[in-house]
Amino acid sequence: DTGVSQDPRHKITKRGQNVTFRCDPISEHNRLYWYRQTLGQGPEFLTYFQNEAQLEKSRLLSDRFSAERPKGSFSTLEIQRTEQGDSAMYLCASRETGSGSGELFFGEGSRLTVL
Amino acid sequence: GIQVEQSPPDLILQEGANSTLRCNFSDSVNNLQWFHQNPWGQLINLFYIPSGTKQNGRLSATTVATERYSLLYISSSQTTDSGVYFCAAAPSGAGSYQLTFGKGTKLSVIP
Repeated sequence: DTGVSQDPRHKITKRGQNVTFRCDPISEHNRLYWYRQTLGQGPEFLTYFQNEAQLEKSRLLSDRFSAERPKGSFSTLEIQRTEQGDSAMYLCASRETGSGSGELFFGEGSRLTVL
Repeated sequence: GIQVEQSPPDLILQEGANSTLRCNFSDSVNNLQWFHQNPWGQLINLFYIPSGTKQNGRLSATTVATERYSLLYISSSQTTDSGVYFCAAAPSGAGSYQLTFGKGTKLSVIP
């Protein structure tokens, strides 16, 4: 069990560029969650998947944000036309279903800086 | 949606002291977790505790689900305990187990 893996750990980009983050969940975890954390705040929920199905996406911050999990394993979060306000830590979490435990496990995060 | 409030927002302790962090939540929950966020930003799982009491070394946690609060106890604090502690909860019945986080308690342990 290697834990939740996120890539890249740090990304610096210029305003207007597109960025993509990848998350590899713990193997056999079929639920995957994306969160965003800004400085001094707790993480806020963005979206989640069960296998390849995106079950909740109304909390994505704008139509510039999109996520997918095409084969039910890794997931990507894309931000198009980045703005300075998108600078934040993007966190991924996963959990297994059917075990009775709702415990979520988080990755190390991808820190985005938009110049 | 569910509201999660943590107190105190900031706490400064002398090394060796004990502390209690509190988390109040507004609805019944099917998931409640305590995390420690390390200086690099990773959320380290401390406890999964939607009800009852658990202990892990110098840390313990209690959730009183009927009264909608949880407590995290840190005994004999060490400088390595410094950081931000988050409580997060998911409402019962939603099925998603998506967590709503409080704003955190920033703990500073000084030698």
